[in-house]
Amino acid sequence: EDKVVQSPLSLVVHEGDTVTLNCSYEVTNFRSLLWYKQEKKAPTFLFMLTSSGIEKKSGRLSSILDKKELSSILNITATQTGDSAIYLCAVCRDDKIIFGKGTRLHILP
Amino acid sequence: DGGITQSPKYLFRKEGQNVTLSCEQNLNHDAMYWYRQDPGQGLRLIYYSQIVNDFQKGDIAEGYSVSREKKESFPLTVTSAQKNPTAFYLCASSERQGDTEAFFGQGTRLTVV
Repeated sequence: EDKVVQSPLSLVVHEGDTVTLNCSYEVTNFRSLLWYKQEKKAPTFLFMLTSSGIEKKSGRLSSILDKKELSSILNITATQTGDSAIYLCAVCRDDKIIFGKGTRLHILP
Repeated sequence: DGGITQSPKYLFRKEGQNVTLSCEQNLNHDAMYWYRQDPGQGLRLIYYSQIVNDFQKGDIAEGYSVSREKKESFPLTVTSAQKNPTAFYLCASSERQGDTEAFFGQGTRLTVV
């Protein structure tokens, strides 16, 4: 059975800290891995990863995929209160997209 | 503006009633998806469709039904057979299966009263 597992499920840090969120997967017919940020309603797209070892970066956020380890990490440096959200990892097969349970991140001022 | 529109934003249903959630996209995307989100559960796939007049069951399809008569529209019906329908429902679409990211609507929060 396909599965996407995120850890930790919940994380509380202080503003300015760096955090690393993890995503591991066991999915047949893997095509790509996606990261989303969900604050209130609709998840917003962050990154799509298809190749191992190539870091994608956007401001203070970065992500990398390790196809050998079947995993990905999302790093957020110099966290701000606006980073508080649920971060969702998803894996695209050739027919559907499977999500993990998400990591709920809370940044304390 | 291009995007995905879900309606209504909030919906209240009496037990034993069927309700239909609307999802429309003008992005010309082939693939569309319905997910259910409960606290601590992430997004669970209900149904998905790759092309018009074709759809497949996801992981939690029991008690739900869909149709895909038009490329732009993918309505979800929550039937009375769904034992615990209170949840947040998200519709998404993507240009192609597996190669592009999915875009989400703003969601419908369904409450059974």
